[in-house]
Amino acid sequence: GNSVTQMEGPVTLSEEAFLTINCTYTATGYPSLFWYVQYPGEGLQLLLKATKADDKGSNKGFEATYRKETTSFHLEKGSVQVSDSAVYFCALSRGGGATNKLIFGTGTLLAVQP
Amino acid sequence: GAVVSQHPSWVICKSGTSVKIECRSLDFQATTMFWYRQFPKQSLMLMATSNEGSKATYEQGVEKDKFLINHASLTLSTLTVTSAHPEDSSFYICSARDRARKETQYFGPGTRLLVL
Repeated sequence: GNSVTQMEGPVTLSEEAFLTINCTYTATGYPSLFWYVQYPGEGLQLLLKATKADDKGSNKGFEATYRKETTSFHLEKGSVQVSDSAVYFCALSRGGGATNKLIFGTGTLLAVQP
Repeated sequence: GAVVSQHPSWVICKSGTSVKIECRSLDFQATTMFWYRQFPKQSLMLMATSNEGSKATYEQGVEKDKFLINHASLTLSTLTVTSAHPEDSSFYICSARDRARKETQYFGPGTRLLVL
């Protein structure tokens, strides 16, 4: 079936360090891929998305490329800030048309220290 | 940007009582809303998909008689946890899909339920 696997956290980095959070997926067909971020005490927010192979989603300095050959959608940022501390969820959507159900990974807690 | 609210943000209730959680899309119309459950240090698990004006579609293993979902308008869906028990204690999150932007779901801040 469809599933998302992402690296376990917590990931602890110093400010300005390079970030990679790995995400791989299993899916039939051609899903859309997403990264959501959940800041403390807030709801999930869409960070970026990619809808087809080789697409690159980007937002707020974060990037992720849809790699069909490796079934991956790794999240990267060149220089993290303390304000990036949050839980990051990789997700895919299955079902076309009106359903658009999301399947989430387990989330990765990122803690950035000054 | 699009905003989804949930009410209440947290609730404590006695075992055996029912609890209603509201999910509202504040500045857009949502023909589809989703209800998730999140356990500590785990991912969101989809419970059901709610379509305006029709019955909700429940995921496998979710009891539809225990988790009643109503989507009476394009901006409101409710989840009622009936005869709640301590094992129902969890974080419940809704999301709404903007009718005009079909790929995007907007999430509410969640409702923390504690059943004593």
